Amino acid sequence: AQSVAQPEDQVNVAEGNPLTVKCTYSVSGNPYLFWYVQYPNRGLQFLLKYITGDNLVKGSYGFEAEFNKSQTSFHLKKPSALVSDSALYFCAVRYTDKLIFGTGTRLQVFP
Amino acid sequence: NAGVMQNPRHLVRRRGQEARLRCSPMKGHSHVYWYRQLPEEGLKFMVYLQKENIIDESGMPKERFSAEFPKEGPSILRIQQVVRGDSAAYFCASSGRDSLYNEQFFGPGTRLTVL
Repeated sequence: AQSVAQPEDQVNVAEGNPLTVKCTYSVSGNPYLFWYVQYPNRGLQFLLKYITGDNLVKGSYGFEAEFNKSQTSFHLKKPSALVSDSALYFCAVRYTDKLIFGTGTRLQVFP
Repeated sequence: NAGVMQNPRHLVRRRGQEARLRCSPMKGHSHVYWYRQLPEEGLKFMVYLQKENIIDESGMPKERFSAEFPKEGPSILRIQQVVRGDSAAYFCASSGRDSLYNEQFFGPGTRLTVL
């Protein structure tokens, strides 16, 4: 079955430090992977996607993600966290016509 | 360029009433998807529609839920005889083409509360 796992419910990081939000997936066929961010009482905003090509994908707001096929992972990273990055982050894999989401990781960046 | 529009943003219904949720896709988009987010959970796919066609409704509950995307006007998600377990945030997304490569753009959601 197709699935996405985000093993951490919450990640805490100090402002200015690097951050990583973890994601692993299980899907038949080639994986098409996405990261979205959700701010309180808002919809999801697209951050970045991996379709093919370079394993390091760059996205919005300074975020990037590293695709690792052997580990079936697609971790979200940022070199220097901002307080304004505090939000709920979702990893998703596209399977046929739908997105299958992980349960989300709440990122808290402390000043 | 307006994004995906959903209304109402908040909807309160009593058990047994009907809920109608509306979604207008981004301009030029003809593919609409509905997802449901239960408290403290991720989003779960419900249904995928194109104009006048339901393409995939594998995530829709078998009873009380229906969706449409008419030739003119917004897509509608309809929940009949609502129960407390229907309380959730319902998100609509749209894309320009149904391709594995294309991201879906999400609306702000409708938060349904059933009393």
